[in-house]
Amino acid sequence: GAGVSQSPSNKVTEKGKDVELRCDPISGHTALYWYRQSLGQGLEFLIYFQGNSAPDKSGLPSDRFSAERTGGSVSTLTIQRTQQEDSAVYLCASSSRPLTGGRGNSPLHFGNGTRLTVT
Amino acid sequence: GIQVEQSPPDLILQEGANSTLRCNFSDSVNNLQWFHQNPWGQLINLFYIPSGTKQNGRLSATTVATERYSLLYISSSQTTDSGVYFCAVEQGYSTLTFGKGTMLLVSP
Repeated sequence: GAGVSQSPSNKVTEKGKDVELRCDPISGHTALYWYRQSLGQGLEFLIYFQGNSAPDKSGLPSDRFSAERTGGSVSTLTIQRTQQEDSAVYLCASSSRPLTGGRGNSPLHFGNGTRLTVT
Repeated sequence: GIQVEQSPPDLILQEGANSTLRCNFSDSVNNLQWFHQNPWGQLINLFYIPSGTKQNGRLSATTVATERYSLLYISSSQTTDSGVYFCAVEQGYSTLTFGKGTMLLVSP
């Protein structure tokens, strides 16, 4: 597709359930990011994938959060045993930054997000 | 980690007015981007501008990397400019750190 695609657009779940959020980046983009935005707040970094390198997981708030990226393309963010404080919009972004050396022009392109509500 | 401060936090304009949004950052950066989040939550990349000046229609941005700030100029504002403007920066080869944003409301 032309842009970053996320699904589902909305998810309501009960406290304690597991959820999976999906991100399909722009074709050919090597870098993929997950951010979280709570109501009225800025963006909180969660995890970053670049090519086949080990992901930067430094932003994951707890071990209930995990993410994987299969085949260097689609990514899934999993939240286990959801809590009410996990309620937020989860945003995925991709960019075409170079894999090695250099920097190049690598603007970030965001999907429309998944709004997660934990009841 | 790096600190990103945006000002003002809120701004109300009459349609047609001009405005300047500021982004200060606490350390040297190699990447700076401006984003607009519309009232429906969609985030749009406005500028990739680690240094220098760029213009795109009624919007322009200037980053003075040596003084650790960037400015976003909106001229002849329109109601469709309403939303939140975020500045995001990157050190080294990691990920973008976002400021808390400036919420802009343009009234007709």
